[in-house]
Amino acid sequence: NAGVTQTPKFQVLKTGQSMTLQCAQDMNHEYMSWYRQDPGMGLRLIHYSVGAGITDQGEVPNGYNVSRSTTEDFPLRLLSAAPSQTSVYFCASSSTGMITEAFFGQGTRLTVV
Amino acid sequence: AQSVTQLGSHVSVSEGALVLLRCNYSSSVPPYLFWYVQYPNQGLQLLLKYTTGATLVKGINGFEAEFKKSETSFHLTKPSAHMSDAAEYFCAVTRGEGNKLTFGTGTQLKVEL
Repeated sequence: NAGVTQTPKFQVLKTGQSMTLQCAQDMNHEYMSWYRQDPGMGLRLIHYSVGAGITDQGEVPNGYNVSRSTTEDFPLRLLSAAPSQTSVYFCASSSTGMITEAFFGQGTRLTVV
Repeated sequence: AQSVTQLGSHVSVSEGALVLLRCNYSSSVPPYLFWYVQYPNQGLQLLLKYTTGATLVKGINGFEAEFKKSETSFHLTKPSAHMSDAAEYFCAVTRGEGNKLTFGTGTQLKVEL
């Protein structure tokens, strides 16, 4: 049972490069989210989706794009990487209905130099 | 806007001692509250959650938390700490919209012999 799978686990980018962080879940969850984790700041919501074709911004969306073409996948795109985007990124998914548990991936550690 | 405040970024206890991790919330509507645990280099795992009903919530690994509306608190406790409890703990709140979570800044728990 894979749950939420994030790739890659580690990535180093040069300033100005673009890349896509992949997230896939096999639990048929409608809700998916991207968070970034920075020391002393907890996790902050970047973008989220309540279903295929529907996305919205979270607390810190600048510099990131998302799309949701299928229920399973929710990629996060960095358009032009900046050192301020050095962080650990987590994808999460959860089902609808009553407040349910969010399942998190293992994270992607991104360094922008 | 909703938020959570975790008092104490680092807490150290002796093995066998009481664990108390503090979380206070601010929300204009009745909140849904969570505690998550993060072990080194891993994603987040749900410990317990409060939605409605009983204010004392029991979770995994012997942890529990009590929702106190009058104190706007949701502190996490465990009667007897174990070495395996060493991890970072996050309090989180949501109002239910797409299960978007607002996290506290985290508390690193250290358990000493």
